[in-house]
Amino acid sequence: EDQVTQSPEALRLQEGESSSLNCSYTVSGLRGLFWYRQDPGKGPEFLFTLYSAGEEKEKERLKATLTKKESFLHITAPKPEDSATYLCAVQHGSSNTGKLIFGQGTTLQVKP
Amino acid sequence: EAQVTQNPRYLITVTGKKLTVTCSQNMNHEYMSWYRQDPGLGLRQIYYSMNVEVTDKGDVPEGYKVSRKEKRNFPLILESPSPNQTSLYFCASSFSGRRLETQYFGPGTRLLVL
Repeated sequence: EDQVTQSPEALRLQEGESSSLNCSYTVSGLRGLFWYRQDPGKGPEFLFTLYSAGEEKEKERLKATLTKKESFLHITAPKPEDSATYLCAVQHGSSNTGKLIFGQGTTLQVKP
Repeated sequence: EAQVTQNPRYLITVTGKKLTVTCSQNMNHEYMSWYRQDPGLGLRQIYYSMNVEVTDKGDVPEGYKVSRKEKRNFPLILESPSPNQTSLYFCASSFSGRRLETQYFGPGTRLLVL
């Protein structure tokens, strides 16, 4: 069964304390893995797309990496404004489908 | 401004009363999709559309209908809403569904079915 699992469910960090969020997946025919940020009461906001194992993307304090089984979102020296829920999603299947599976998210809280 | 709009933003209704949630995008995107978000279950895809007149089921399509008659609009129809459809609904769009690059999400519609 196609599945996307994120861990941990919740993470509390002190400002400046680096850490990583995990997204593991088991799907047939990975076509893309996406990271989103979601603030309370708002729609998800796109962060990164990764297409093949070994690929890395960076944006400010965030860095996303991809292997054949999982992706990591590394947060370096986080600030309180990085507090949000981070969602991972996987596009899978044939090239004619737009199916997307989301993980349940990791809620990050960064304390000053 | 590039955006996805949804209406209404909040809706309280009763079981069995048909309703439509509208979704519109101004970016000339081919791909549009509907999701519901529930505590503990995350975001789940209801239906998606690769282009005009092309729609397909996501993971939780039961009880919902969609249509894509125009490129910019993708309404979600609940013919006979039930309490288990109480949820937060998001519409999203992307340039192409073949490789989902940046997907833009709407602000959400919070639905309560009594």
